Parts: sequence; C-alpha cells; structure tokens
Amino acid sequence: AQTVTQSQPEMSVQEAETVTLSCTYDTSESDYYLFWYKQPPSRQMILVIRQEAYKQQNATENRFSVNFQKAAKSFSLKISDSQLGDAAMYFCAYRSAYVSNFGNEKLTFGTGTRLTIIP
Amino acid sequence: DGGITQSPKYLFRKEGQNVTLSCEQNLNHDAMYWYRQDPGQGLRLIYYSQIVNDFQKGDIAEGYSVSREKKESFPLTVTSAQKNPTAFYLCASTRGGLNQPQHFGDGTRLSIL
Repeated sequence: AQTVTQSQPEMSVQEAETVTLSCTYDTSESDYYLFWYKQPPSRQMILVIRQEAYKQQNATENRFSVNFQKAAKSFSLKISDSQLGDAAMYFCAYRSAYVSNFGNEKLTFGTGTRLTIIP
Repeated sequence: DGGITQSPKYLFRKEGQNVTLSCEQNLNHDAMYWYRQDPGQGLRLIYYSQIVNDFQKGDIAEGYSVSREKKESFPLTVTSAQKNPTAFYLCASTRGGLNQPQHFGDGTRLSIL
C-alpha cells in the first residue's frame, strides 16, 4: 500500500516571501500521479497543482511550482510571492496509474501542513 | 456552473440513529468518492463508485453504506454501527482517467448529540 508523509504540521511565511512545503511518499509502482490540494478555512478542497510521474519536468501553475524527485520519492510545493489568501491547510496526495478490477482511482492523502501567512 | 453539492452543511445525530449525507454532482463525472476527515489527519476513503449501480469499499467502510442509483447522486449513510461518527465528510467526483483530478464538495460536518 502507498503512504504519503507530510512532516511539517505547521509552517509560516512572511507575505511576499517564498515557502516550501515538503511531501514524501512510499510506493513500489513506477507510474503514478501526485497532487497538492489546498483547504482554506471554508473547508473546500481545491486542486493546486498536479504532477505525472513519467514526466521529468516539474509542474508549474503561476506562483506554485513543485520539485519532483522521483528517485527520492519527494514532491515538495514551492509558493512564491506568498499572499494572505494562500493561508490554508495543504495536502499532498498520491494516485496510482495502474487500474485493477477494484479500481485505483482513489487518492491517498498526507496529514497536511497548515500554512500561516504573516502580514 | 457545474459542481458538487453536499447537504446538509451541519448534521446532528442521536445515539443509535442512522443519518444520510447527500452528494449531488452536475459535472457528468463517472466516479464519485466519500472521504472522512478528522483533526490532525488527512482524508481517508470510505467508499467509491466508478459507475452507476457499482461501488467499492475504501479504507474505512465499516459502519457506513452507500448507493449509486443515478450517475449524479452518491448518498452516504452513517449507521448506528459507526461508533465514532463525529467528523467532517467530503464528497468528490472525477471524470474517467487516472490523470484527472478529483473535484470536491464543500463538506458536511456530522456531530453526535
């Protein structure tokens, strides 16, 4: 079974600065997808960015980028020019790329990192 | 706008009572999921359904039941067998294809009276 570990329960950053949230995962599979979700106080889960394991290029979405190290099984999220609206819980998630009779579309989540933005 | 609607937002259950959480989506997504979120923990999968009239147990299915009679709807029943039901419940859906992200509803908070 796959596991996802987020070792930083809480992080804080000054507004306009850059912060990196870490995520490691354990899997024996060679093809999979990784996601970062944001959960603001409203509790809705919002997709931030996704990475396909077979793509070597790191994904980027505006101020959000990832550092995907497949050999190290690491998938960190970098937020540049932090804004007050970035304050939220951030969850890293894993999904297998292999489909079985039982389906592998489920996401395995880490325990989350609470990000605070200091004005 | 398309999306996922969960209702109610807050739900209270008496001891020994079954309650049903609603999840409706108008995204024409095939697959739907129910997750449970407890403080300090990530989301854990309860049940999922890839097509109508079919569903599979997730990691923590005991004390829960689901149905998938329509593509748009995937209600979750929390039965009296679930001894610790107080949690935040999130419903999600996705199109077919493993690279497709899951879209989430706003959640239902269930509490025991």
